[in-house]
Amino acid sequence: AQKVTQAQTEISVVEKEDVTLDCVYETRDTTYYLFWYKQPPSGELVFLIRRNSFDEQNEISGRYSWNFQKSTSSFNFTITASQVVDSAVYFCAPRMDSSYKLIFGSGTRLLVRP
Amino acid sequence: GAVVSQHPSWVICKSGTSVKIECRSLDFQATTMFWYRQFPKQSLMLMATSNEGSKATYEQGVEKDKFLINHASLTLSTLTVTSAHPEDSSFYICSALSGSSDTQYFGPGTRLTVL
Repeated sequence: AQKVTQAQTEISVVEKEDVTLDCVYETRDTTYYLFWYKQPPSGELVFLIRRNSFDEQNEISGRYSWNFQKSTSSFNFTITASQVVDSAVYFCAPRMDSSYKLIFGSGTRLLVRP
Repeated sequence: GAVVSQHPSWVICKSGTSVKIECRSLDFQATTMFWYRQFPKQSLMLMATSNEGSKATYEQGVEKDKFLINHASLTLSTLTVTSAHPEDSSFYICSALSGSSDTQYFGPGTRLTVL
């Protein structure tokens, strides 16, 4: 079965610390897509990144960076110099087939304290 | 770009009544939309895939007669919770698939409380 694991249920850091959120997935497919979404307390899911399995370059967007390791089936997300506004639940969501369905992990709740 | 709206944002209804939730893609067309349900402090659970002009595809365990989905246009999908009961109280979230970016964009969600 294809699934995704976000082993960290909750993480608490102090503002300006760096934090990495882990995501490990299982798949038999050679072609797939990986997504990260942020869900702040307001409830709306915010799209952060889409990555296909053929692109193994790491990506940086401002304070956000993603490390894709196909060999270990991981797609980790790092926030540098965290801010209070980063407090949210973060979901890793692979898409493994042509149905466009996302497989949501259990999410990691990040709390950034002032 | 890629904005999805939901209406209403919250609704309280009496047990036995039906509630309709609208999901609109405001600046792009979406042949495919999705409906999710989320319980407090839990992940999103996919309920059904809504396809414009055809019947929705429901996930296993989701009652299609209870959760009616209509995707009548390329920018609107509706979810109707029929004969709602307290156990249907939840946060319902829709998403719309953007063909140009191959990405699901989510609405702000609708919090349903059934008394």
